[in-house]
Amino acid sequence: AQSVTQLDSQVPVFEEAPVELRCNYSSSVSVYLFWYVQYPNQGLQLLLKYLSGSTLVKGINGFEAEFNKSQTSFHLRKPSVHISDTAEYFCAVSGRLTGGGNKLTFGTGTQLKVEL
Amino acid sequence: SQTIHQWPATLVQPVGSPLSLECTVEGTSNPNLYWYRQAAGRGLQLLFYSVGIGQISSEVPQNLSASRPQDRQFILSSKKLLLSDSGFYLCAWSVLAGGPTDEQYFGPGTRLTVT
Repeated sequence: AQSVTQLDSQVPVFEEAPVELRCNYSSSVSVYLFWYVQYPNQGLQLLLKYLSGSTLVKGINGFEAEFNKSQTSFHLRKPSVHISDTAEYFCAVSGRLTGGGNKLTFGTGTQLKVEL
Repeated sequence: SQTIHQWPATLVQPVGSPLSLECTVEGTSNPNLYWYRQAAGRGLQLLFYSVGIGQISSEVPQNLSASRPQDRQFILSSKKLLLSDSGFYLCAWSVLAGGPTDEQYFGPGTRLTVT
């Protein structure tokens, strides 16, 4: 079975400071990892994904994540955050569903709060 | 371009009442469709998925059911709501015959409060 752990439920940070949101995964098969962002009362939007190849993945809005197989981690980083980055961030691992499609197994989310 | 709609946006229902949430996708054909629930303080949990009209698979046993009467329409229902059914319900789609590398595209969600 696949699982994802997001250790930090809330991360406060000042504007223009760097931030790292932690994600650890467990999977016995090929690993496909995603980061999604959810703004208040909205659906999820894909930030970035790791499928294979380079372990450093760049996404939208200046975010990047590094896949580390030995540490089973996929931490999300941004060198300088903005007020508009305040949102909830979800890490997910993807697996195949019987008959087609894919199942995203999500972590419990990390609330990023950017302060002035 | 593809868009996904959900309605209603918010819903307050008493315990024991029926439920019907609707999701429609535009701009794509034969999508895989998914229903997720996000309970307070918890992550998202996959409830149902569908790879075609009338084909529904359930991921967890519960008080809810799903139907897909048309290619791009996905409905979540309940005959009698429980307090534990409260949450934020998200519909998503991905390309048909895709696999675990595919992105899922999410709708705006429905916030359900059962009182």
